[in-house]
Parts: sequence; structure tokens; C-alpha cells
Amino acid sequence: DQQVKQNSPSLSVQEGRISILNCDYTNSMFDYFLWYKKYPAEGPTFLISISSIKDKNEDGRFTVFLNKSAKHLSLHIVPSQPGDSAVYFCAGVLGGSARQLTFGSGTQLTVLP
Amino acid sequence: KAGVTQTPRYLIKTRGQQVTLSCSPISGHRSVSWYQQTPGQGLQFLFEYFSETQRNKGNFPGRFSGRQFSNSRSEMNVSTLELGDSALYLCASSSRTTGPYGYTFGSGTRLTVV
Repeated sequence: DQQVKQNSPSLSVQEGRISILNCDYTNSMFDYFLWYKKYPAEGPTFLISISSIKDKNEDGRFTVFLNKSAKHLSLHIVPSQPGDSAVYFCAGVLGGSARQLTFGSGTQLTVLP
Repeated sequence: KAGVTQTPRYLIKTRGQQVTLSCSPISGHRSVSWYQQTPGQGLQFLFEYFSETQRNKGNFPGRFSGRQFSNSRSEMNVSTLELGDSALYLCASSSRTTGPYGYTFGSGTRLTVV
């Protein structure tokens, strides 16, 4: 049972345009959500998060939107840069003392110069 | 400060063998979690250790085990390797106060089972 799904394995965007990465979840108990970015041969690095009580969080070029009724979140990158080319994972986190992240399968973003 | 160190970076083993992977967390971090990354499956949680105790375990067979030492370094062991165990194994450390927000991942160990 995949509790977090990223249905698009890949996305290509022109430099300067907006990148929108999507994520769906089934577990209503997730307390917050995280986005990670991963380059080849490196571990994932934390990008941005959103609490389940919020519907938007912004950090520079990155904005995450949460639609709880649709159990959907999206990461917007504006403007996209070639250095943003990486695999992006969304992850749900249960509340309490749980430190287990439930990840989606990732989306490979390629930003074309 | 030094990041999370995983050794070795690459490993090739034969079916049926066993393997031990090592993870040294960031100094002061007492929680170490392990994840398996395979193509199309994302990162799947294996287990988490805190103060030498396993606190949480994912849905993996008993062939996957781990431990944590008093200096917070952690090892994971996979016995009777199968071809499907070929994956990137990542560990992440965090402190009690930062929780998952403060996860720092290592670069991983790429295990290939032939």
C-alpha cells in the first residue's frame, strides 16, 4: 500500500519557467510533509516542508501547496534553473514520536537551458 | 561539521552471502534511520535506532537487521542476500530536538548482488 505517490516519474521544463511537481497521499494522519532533493551519488537533502494545518509555505523560489481535501500537495519552483535538475521526493511524517518518513517514488526534474 | 558518513560507498556481493554496512552520524545526533532506495520504489524505511535501541521497524524480512553502538554509530546487516536486495542504502541521522526536519542523509552505500 503506497501511502505517498508521485505519479510522474519525470518532468522536463525550460529554464526560467515554472516547475510543478505533484504528490498524492492516502494517510490522513500525516502531520506534515517534506520535500527532498537528490542529486546522483548524494543523499537526499531537505528542501521545504509544510504542516498539515497550513495550505502554503514559501521559501525563496520554492513554494509548497497542500490541498487536504484532495490529499494532494505540489511543489512549485519559480524560476527553474538548470541546477534544479535532480530527483525530488515528497514524504509524509506521522505525528508524535514517529521518526519514520514515508516517501513517494520520486520525480526526475530536468531543467533545459 | 562532518556530515553523515557511510561506508563502503560501493559493494558487490554474491547471492547467499551476507553484508554489513556502516553509518557514522553527525556528532551529537543519537538517532539513526536506514532507508532502502530502489528504482521506482522511492525510499523505503528499514529501521530507526536511538540510544542503542531499535525504536521503529519497517516492513522488511528478518534478513535485514541492524544495531547501534554507544557512540551512535550504526550498522545494518543483510543475510542470505537475494538479487532483489540490490539497492542504494541510505542512513540519516537526527537529534531529538530537530526530528525528521533535521534529517541529514549520508551519500549511501550502493549494493549490487550478483
